[in-house]
Amino acid sequence: ETGVTQTPRHLVMGMTNKKSLKCEQHLGHNAMYWYKQSAKKPLELMFVYSLEERVENNSVPSRFSPECPNSSHLFLHLHTLQPEDSALYLCASSQPGQLGGGYTFGSGTRLTVV
Amino acid sequence: AQSVTQPDIHITVSEGASLELRCNYSYGATPYLFWYVQSPGQGLQLLLKYFSGDTLVQGIKGFEAEFKRSQSSFNLRKPSVHWSDAAEYFCAVGAMDSSYKLIFGSGTRLLVRP
Repeated sequence: ETGVTQTPRHLVMGMTNKKSLKCEQHLGHNAMYWYKQSAKKPLELMFVYSLEERVENNSVPSRFSPECPNSSHLFLHLHTLQPEDSALYLCASSQPGQLGGGYTFGSGTRLTVV
Repeated sequence: AQSVTQPDIHITVSEGASLELRCNYSYGATPYLFWYVQSPGQGLQLLLKYFSGDTLVQGIKGFEAEFKRSQSSFNLRKPSVHWSDAAEYFCAVGAMDSSYKLIFGSGTRLLVRP
């Protein structure tokens, strides 16, 4: 158990569907992150929330919509996705101001868009 | 701009042989440095970290890394590789201008020959 739980582990969705990815942590961290990991590409930081406020949004298309209702939960709402959005989506958490602790990652959601 | 370079995309070693994975970074001061490992379809797991003190850092699974300021390097080593070490390895550095941001290298995939 990594301390960061992502659900579902696998998701197949059509381009017209709406779905959500969920991330939950009980480590007492106050910063949470969404990363996209595609084959043969570096990790791409998508969104950062610190103390439930979005502090970074790296030019991510509007078909991805994050939500952070509290410091323990992070969602990524998906709609009208494209096949190139198929990837492993990773959630991570950390304690802001304590970079020495690094990030704790979840196991990821493998998303396939058909 | 701040960066992390992992010059080897793939490395293949024989089981029982020693291993060294290279990581170079650009940073103006003593950085926070990390090594993560990712097994296929999984999230990233922290192997070890450095931010001060002894420049030789011990981590989990028998890994160690050495911080060399003069070479801006933080190479990961293991004296004897096991087949279960086959995975992708990521080096990361704490961003200078942020209390929460890590910058990741593009990863090195380790293959282990029986």
